[in-house]
Amino acid sequence: GQNIDQPTEMTATEGAIVQINCTYQTSGFNGLFWYQQHAGEAPTFLSYNVLDGLEEKGRFSSFLSRSKGYSYLLLKELQMKDSASYLCAVMDSNYQLIWGAGTKLIIKP
Amino acid sequence: GAVVSQHPSWVICKSGTSVKIECRSLDFQATTMFWYRQFPKQSLMLMATSNEGSKATYEQGVEKDKFLINHASLTLSTLTVTSAHPEDSSFYICARDVTSESNEQFFGPGTRLTVL
Repeated sequence: GQNIDQPTEMTATEGAIVQINCTYQTSGFNGLFWYQQHAGEAPTFLSYNVLDGLEEKGRFSSFLSRSKGYSYLLLKELQMKDSASYLCAVMDSNYQLIWGAGTKLIIKP
Repeated sequence: GAVVSQHPSWVICKSGTSVKIECRSLDFQATTMFWYRQFPKQSLMLMATSNEGSKATYEQGVEKDKFLINHASLTLSTLTVTSAHPEDSSFYICARDVTSESNEQFFGPGTRLTVL
């Protein structure tokens, strides 16, 4: 079956760096997405990786290793507003998004 | 600004009634739109893919007679939850592809349905 694994919850300190990992097993691969979702709101797009390597976008970076079925989202200079759930999703060979359960990130002052 | 809108944002209804949720693509004609459901502290679950001018494609386990989808125009898709029950209470979110060539999806703001 298809499976996306990511930690349920993480806690970090304001101003610090946090890395959220995601491992996946899917039938085919057409890219991996990271979305941010604040409580009670819809997800918003953060990043898309389809090739191996690191994609940097401001304070957020996303890394992909297709051979390992592994990705991480790196958040730097954490701010209180970064408290949210972070969803990892993989697009399979049928171009269907397979979603992880999300990682709830708690930022403490 | 928002490119996908949903209406209503939240709705409370009695058990047995039907609820219609509208999803509009504001800046792009979308032949395909997606309907998701999300229960508290759980991930998004794709319910169905809405296709303009044809029948929706439902995911396994989703009752098509209970969740009626109509995609009558390139900018509007509707989801009707028929004879809603408390277990249908959830966060319903629609989405569309950013462009026809993009794999990224834009999400609507979601509709929180509470069935009493």
